[in-house]
Amino acid sequence: GNSVTQMEGPVTLSEEAFLTINCTYTATGYPSLFWYVQYPGEGLQLLLKATKADDKGSNKGFEATYRKETTSFHLEKGSVQVSDSAVYFCALDRGATGTASKLTFGTGTRLQVTL
Amino acid sequence: NAGVMQNPRHLVRRRGQEARLRCSPMKGHSHVYWYRQLPEEGLKFMVYLQKENIIDESGMPKERFSAEFPKEGPSILRIQQVVRGDSAAYFCASSPLDRGYEQYFGPGTRLTVT
Repeated sequence: GNSVTQMEGPVTLSEEAFLTINCTYTATGYPSLFWYVQYPGEGLQLLLKATKADDKGSNKGFEATYRKETTSFHLEKGSVQVSDSAVYFCALDRGATGTASKLTFGTGTRLQVTL
Repeated sequence: NAGVMQNPRHLVRRRGQEARLRCSPMKGHSHVYWYRQLPEEGLKFMVYLQKENIIDESGMPKERFSAEFPKEGPSILRIQQVVRGDSAAYFCASSPLDRGYEQYFGPGTRLTVT
């Protein structure tokens, strides 16, 4: 079955530091890959996505590249801010574009950014 | 355009009572999904519905849990005879018909069973 593995947190960084959160996956076929962010007390928000190999998703300074050869989708940001403190979830779906799908999530990585 | 709405945000039930969680999808979205998040864990898929149809309930416990998405009104996740292990955050998501992989989440309902 499909699965997603994320690096364990918490990750604690100083403001303006470089961020990497690792994510690897196991899936049949060609899944689409996602990063979601959850701020305290809120639901998940879609941060970025990539639907095929070598695609790069980007949003709000975050980016991730779909690497089929290493089955990875690592999240990066060049300079984090305190407001980026949240839990980040990597997820995949079956990849059948246009059809509804159930997402498979990693366990989440908590990021804490300090001044 | 309002986002996905869930209510209540917090729900406290005693063991053996029933819990009803409501979800109104985004306008124009025809698919609704329910996920459960246990403490310190990721979200686990429970069920996917379209109007008046359950499409995939492979993640739903076989007993005590049911879901519906009627022609009119919100989607309902119902948990009968709750137990302490049902304490969790329950998230609803919706997606448009032609982009099922693009799911938008509500703020969740945090169920506490005492």
